[in-house]
Amino acid sequence: DAGVTQSPTHLIKTRGQQVTLRCSPKSGHDTVSWYQQALGQGPQFIFQYYEEEERQRGNFPDRFSGHQFPNYSSELNVNALLLGDSALYLCASSLAPGQGAYTFGSGTRLTVV
Amino acid sequence: AQSVTQLDSQVPVFEEAPVELRCNYSSSVSVYLFWYVQYPNQGLQLLLKYLSGSTLVESINGFEAEFNKSQTSFHLRKPSVHISDTAEYFCAVSGTSGTYKYIFGTGTRLKVLA
Repeated sequence: DAGVTQSPTHLIKTRGQQVTLRCSPKSGHDTVSWYQQALGQGPQFIFQYYEEEERQRGNFPDRFSGHQFPNYSSELNVNALLLGDSALYLCASSLAPGQGAYTFGSGTRLTVV
Repeated sequence: AQSVTQLDSQVPVFEEAPVELRCNYSSSVSVYLFWYVQYPNQGLQLLLKYLSGSTLVESINGFEAEFNKSQTSFHLRKPSVHISDTAEYFCAVSGTSGTYKYIFGTGTRLKVLA
C-alpha cells in the first residue's frame, strides 16, 4: 500500500521564480495538508484541502496557493520565490479531517538561490 | 489556538539507558496529541497518538507517552534506547474539531551514544 508520494524530492530555483510541488495522498485518504519545515524547525501549517476546497490556511502570504484534484492529489504553488522560502515542504494526508493521524510524505527539499 | 513547547532541543543518552522527551502544550479546547519521529533527510513518521480513552499510549517499538491533562503534558518515554533511536522527535497538538491542523513543537534531537 503506497503511502504519501511527493515529487520532486529536490528542487533548486532562483529568487523570483515560481514552483509547483506535487502530492499523491495515501490510498483511501481524501484530505491533504501542506507544511513548511525550515531547517532546524518544526513543520508549520500552510493549508489544508478537502473536497477540492481550501478548508483552512496558516499564516502564509498569498504567494502560496494550492489545488486539489478530483483524485485527491494536490499541488502547492509558490510564486515570486524568496530566499526564505527554502525549506522542506511536507504533504500529509488523512481519511477525512480529524480521522486519525496524518500520514506524511518524505517531502520536497526546495532551495532558492 | 494551540501551542507546543519542547523544552529540550537536544538529549544525549547512552545506549540501553532510559530517556524522557518532554512536551507541554497550551490549548483552550480539547486536544489530540501526537509524537512523530524524523530520521535525517526523511519525512515524519507517526510514533504514537492520543485521541481518546486510556491516557497511556504505546508504540510498537517500545516508546510510550502519557497524556496528563492537569499538567498539559504529553511526555515521551522509553525504558531502554538503541542506537537506531537516534533521530529528531516532534510533539504535535491539534484541536478535536475543525480542520485538525497540527501545531508542532520545535523538536528534540535524541542522540544515543554507544
